[in-house]
Amino acid sequence: QSVLTQPPSVSGAPGQRVTISCTGSSSNIGTGYDVHWYQQVPGTAPKLLIYADSNRPSGVPDRFSGSKSGTSASLAITGLQAEDEADYYCQSYDSKMGGSVFGGGTKLTVL
Amino acid sequence: QITLKESGPTLVKPTQTLTLTCTFSGFSLSTSGVGVGWIRQPPGKALEWLALIYWNDDKRYNPSLRSRLSITKDTSKNQVLLTMTNMDPVDTATYYCAHYVLQGTYYFDYWGQGTLVTVSS
Repeated sequence: QSVLTQPPSVSGAPGQRVTISCTGSSSNIGTGYDVHWYQQVPGTAPKLLIYADSNRPSGVPDRFSGSKSGTSASLAITGLQAEDEADYYCQSYDSKMGGSVFGGGTKLTVL
Repeated sequence: QITLKESGPTLVKPTQTLTLTCTFSGFSLSTSGVGVGWIRQPPGKALEWLALIYWNDDKRYNPSLRSRLSITKDTSKNQVLLTMTNMDPVDTATYYCAHYVLQGTYYFDYWGQGTLVTVSS
């Protein structure tokens, strides 16, 4: 089981808004450690999508946004496009692990 | 421009030791606040962090695999090596190395393409 919990799948029609949750605990997100999000198109390496809770690297569309509250974080995608179909992973630092932890991943299907 | 590339055997036998090399460019592993990490992903499964090495040679390991892992760096060659002992079929996965940011926050901003390692007799 992953230290960070994500829903296995979400779906939405083109143009809609979807959110993906990431739930942690007092040793990671709840301590205040930042949450980061990655997008992985099948067969390719993960790509950084959001860092430090809500910041977008250069080149990431502003349709993607992140937020955090308490022991949870969320990734929101607005104006859903077919190209957004991918797996999404959250990541944080965990003080018990002494390193990084990932969520179990969420598969986004664009209907 | 930061790039990383993993290399190593694609097939190992059970009980053997796996050694993977991450060759990178575009940054120096002697620069403060920089690290390189290894992450793996079994087919159809989630990402799992394995190990990290920092610019100051500090090292971190996933506690569940600590006894089997070793990470080292060769700054002059721009390489990071990961060794995993006593390989088992459950270790079959794509292994990624990634550039790690440690500047008040901790994340992987650049990833290699990954290398698939199959453990089978």
